[in-house]
Amino acid sequence: EAGVAQSPRYKIIEKRQSVAFWCNPISGHATLYWYQQILGQGPKLLIQFQNNGVVDDSQLPKDRFSAERLKGVDSTLKIQPAKLEDSAVYLCASSSGQGAADTQYFGPGTRLTVL
Amino acid sequence: AQKITQTQPGMFVQEKEAVTLDCTYDTSDQSYGLFWYKQPSSGEMIFLIYQGSYDEQNATEGRYSLNFQKARKSANLVISASQLGDSAMYFCAMREVNQAGTALIFGKGTTLSVSS
Repeated sequence: EAGVAQSPRYKIIEKRQSVAFWCNPISGHATLYWYQQILGQGPKLLIQFQNNGVVDDSQLPKDRFSAERLKGVDSTLKIQPAKLEDSAVYLCASSSGQGAADTQYFGPGTRLTVL
Repeated sequence: AQKITQTQPGMFVQEKEAVTLDCTYDTSDQSYGLFWYKQPSSGEMIFLIYQGSYDEQNATEGRYSLNFQKARKSANLVISASQLGDSAMYFCAMREVNQAGTALIFGKGTTLSVSS
């Protein structure tokens, strides 16, 4: 079974530029998450989708970040304009359902450097 | 308030030794799940083990076991017979079932270094 796919793996941009990340979850997984992991910290949720609806985006900086999951499969996370503090690894994860035991499986991440 | 606390920034162990990575958590929910993930230098988060708040027995997965002490709100990861490939960052995470979403709350992680 294929895992969670993400692209690109690495991205370097100048501040105030825009950038987009793509995620393809495990086939059949209804729930998709985007996390931001700043160096030396644990991942922090940005947004959670259930199929193509948003479940939780309370920690998404909506003035510059946006995300969509059209057709309930692939997802795109965009930053516009980027700031220096957005330098981080952006992790996409997916899971099959609800409940305490629902395990999230992560992709390889996109490492973003903002200069 | 920090929900997941990992107090060991770094741990060092020799091959074939056992090691315990500490994790304490804070929640007022009765139903929750606890997870451990491994993050090698490549960056991918690898799921290791899960413990439910109602599980009476400690979870085990191969060389990994979870020492779950509910009254103390601790969920320590025990790795038996360490291998060089175990060198990585380890994260403890929690899901509170009664929250709107089901996202994980992560600790800051512990770096494990295994030497020969």
